[in-house]
Amino acid sequence: EPEVTQTPSHQVTQMGQEVILRCVPISNHLYFYWYRQILGQKVEFLVSFYNNEISEKSEIFDDQFSVERPDGSNFTLKIRSTKLEDSAMYFCASSGLAGAFEQYFGPGTRLTVT
Amino acid sequence: GESVGLHLPTLSVQEGDNSIINCAYSNSASDYFIWYKQESGKGPQFIIDIRSNMDKRQGQRVTVLLNKTVKHLSLQIAATQPGDSAVYFCAGGGGATNKLIFGTGTLLAVQP
Repeated sequence: EPEVTQTPSHQVTQMGQEVILRCVPISNHLYFYWYRQILGQKVEFLVSFYNNEISEKSEIFDDQFSVERPDGSNFTLKIRSTKLEDSAMYFCASSGLAGAFEQYFGPGTRLTVT
Repeated sequence: GESVGLHLPTLSVQEGDNSIINCAYSNSASDYFIWYKQESGKGPQFIIDIRSNMDKRQGQRVTVLLNKTVKHLSLQIAATQPGDSAVYFCAGGGGATNKLIFGTGTLLAVQP
């Protein structure tokens, strides 16, 4: 069964450093998302991406964040200068054709900023 | 003192019993709702969805009920099994981007 994959599973970084979280969505999907979950809290929407551009972003997704689909398979989330409060699980999700709203989530990357 | 994170509502059931997990939502503009299951250290796993113009949908061992009048959603799990132990989230979606807005979550603990 196709699945969304994410790397790395755990990333530890120092405050102020840049990190890139990687995702490989399901191959024929068209819509891509990043969500985050701070420990013990609910999952929060960060950004949606379609047709090689951001379609919507939340207030959390400030200028420190960027997304990219550098090739036909990868979808990345970059945080330019990490802060302690960026520590969270980051989930990538994808969905298929227009109108197919079921989003499939990856296993997540745990980001720890020290 | 300082609190770390939220304390999840917990539902404890005996194996074999039926479970009912509830969710209240505030966004009336959601076109659909989804229930996700999240096991420790894993990403949310799709369980079942329901469009906002429906009031009931059944899947394998699960039923979702939607009451738009009181903005309430429930997930019923029949014959609950130990493997059902997880945190369950409801999420509302819609709009041009189909972004999901998640609820707080409920921890389901199944006692053998």
